[in-house]
Amino acid sequence: RKEVEQDPGPFNVPEGATVAFNCTYSNSASQSFFWYRQDCRKEPKLLMSVYSSGNEDGRFTAQLNRASQYISLLIRDSKLSDSATYLCVVNMRSSNTGKLIFGQGTTLQVKP
Amino acid sequence: NAGVTQTPKFQVLKTGQSMTLQCAQDMNHNSMYWYRQDPGMGLRLIYYSASEGTTDKGEVPNGYNVSRLNKREFSLRLESAAPSQTSVYFCASSEGASRQPQHFGDGTRLSIL
Repeated sequence: RKEVEQDPGPFNVPEGATVAFNCTYSNSASQSFFWYRQDCRKEPKLLMSVYSSGNEDGRFTAQLNRASQYISLLIRDSKLSDSATYLCVVNMRSSNTGKLIFGQGTTLQVKP
Repeated sequence: NAGVTQTPKFQVLKTGQSMTLQCAQDMNHNSMYWYRQDPGMGLRLIYYSASEGTTDKGEVPNGYNVSRLNKREFSLRLESAAPSQTSVYFCASSEGASRQPQHFGDGTRLSIL
């Protein structure tokens, strides 16, 4: 089983739609969770951290379910500019170095 | 606001040649990382440096060496390039604590013929 798993998609949605991605992780002791966004041929950029109580940043909502070992990202009112690959990122508890494991990413294509 | 700077942006090598990818960060971060990204494989950690003076292997270290020159700089060296090392290489840095995210440079696109 991969340490971090995501559905690669692509998810094709119309503008204005709500779309949700899930990501599962294997290490129950993982402590830190992030969503990154990566545009084609660009570097990954931090979208948001994921906190235990769930958190929201504008149209984006992230949630953590420790019992089932998954995190989710919800995007409301999708914009064309949201088209990108979304990477689920989880830290490995084994050290305090900030070593992170990246999922393969979920591709989102928002259509007019 | 440079953040993480990588050089070069693009490079073409012949099999067997050597080269060093350079990375520097100006955020006073303790930890630095080198990743490679291949289609369908996601980001894979090559080496990392938790702090100045230390380096450790990641998931795919074979064929690479690294040097943490000082707190700002972390270089990646290919001693004898192979076609399998054709990839996009990203350098990243973080404050080091496990709860802190990583910040990435804009990558080096390396082709080995």
